Amino acid sequence: SAVISQKPSRDICQRGTSLTIQCQVDSQVTMMFWYRQQPGQSLTLIATANQGSEATYESGFVIDKFPISRPNLTFSTLTVSNMSPEDSSIYLCSVELNYPPYNEQFFGPGTRLTVL
Amino acid sequence: SQKIEQNSEALNIQEGKTATLTCNYTNYSPAYLQWYRQDPGRGPVFLLLIRENEKEKRKERLKVTFDTTLKQSLFHITASQPADSATYLCALDMMDSSYKLIFGSGTRLLVRP
Repeated sequence: SAVISQKPSRDICQRGTSLTIQCQVDSQVTMMFWYRQQPGQSLTLIATANQGSEATYESGFVIDKFPISRPNLTFSTLTVSNMSPEDSSIYLCSVELNYPPYNEQFFGPGTRLTVL
Repeated sequence: SQKIEQNSEALNIQEGKTATLTCNYTNYSPAYLQWYRQDPGRGPVFLLLIRENEKEKRKERLKVTFDTTLKQSLFHITASQPADSATYLCALDMMDSSYKLIFGSGTRLLVRP
């Protein structure tokens, strides 16, 4: 399994500002994913952040709004840029292990973002 | 487009009974399907994975079935306990060999003591 931590756990931000969310994993993993979960909704994949390549974004999400860094196999950041109240959500990172069991994803606790 | 449906209404059952949750999908032929549990304020936790060539899989009090003809998975919790109260999400692979998952909206389970 993997233990994942996220910072901050929550934040309240003003519109127009940016917030960088950190995701730390206790083991080396290639595949890392960033999700958004709006209140009462399911998880929506924002992007895949594999180490050694540029992040790939899902439809509706763009790099200028959600830049991602993946400097090594245990760490990633997601920035929510030029925030608006519509960005208020829980942001989660997850990983898939480099060794069995494959296909399972392990999630961080999430970052609860409120934009005023 | 691909669509996953889970019952949005909460399932409210008595302790000791079997809870059965449903996941339906359309326009889709996933290689595998997963079930996750999510508690308030926490990230999802993996429970079970079932592949397209498997009809049923069990883990302790949990059982998952996968009917690729009906395009449906059923998730059962036998001898339910109040501690089983949570939201349960089904997730399917995106069929593009990318390891990405698409999640359903989840069903909230409430087990009354």
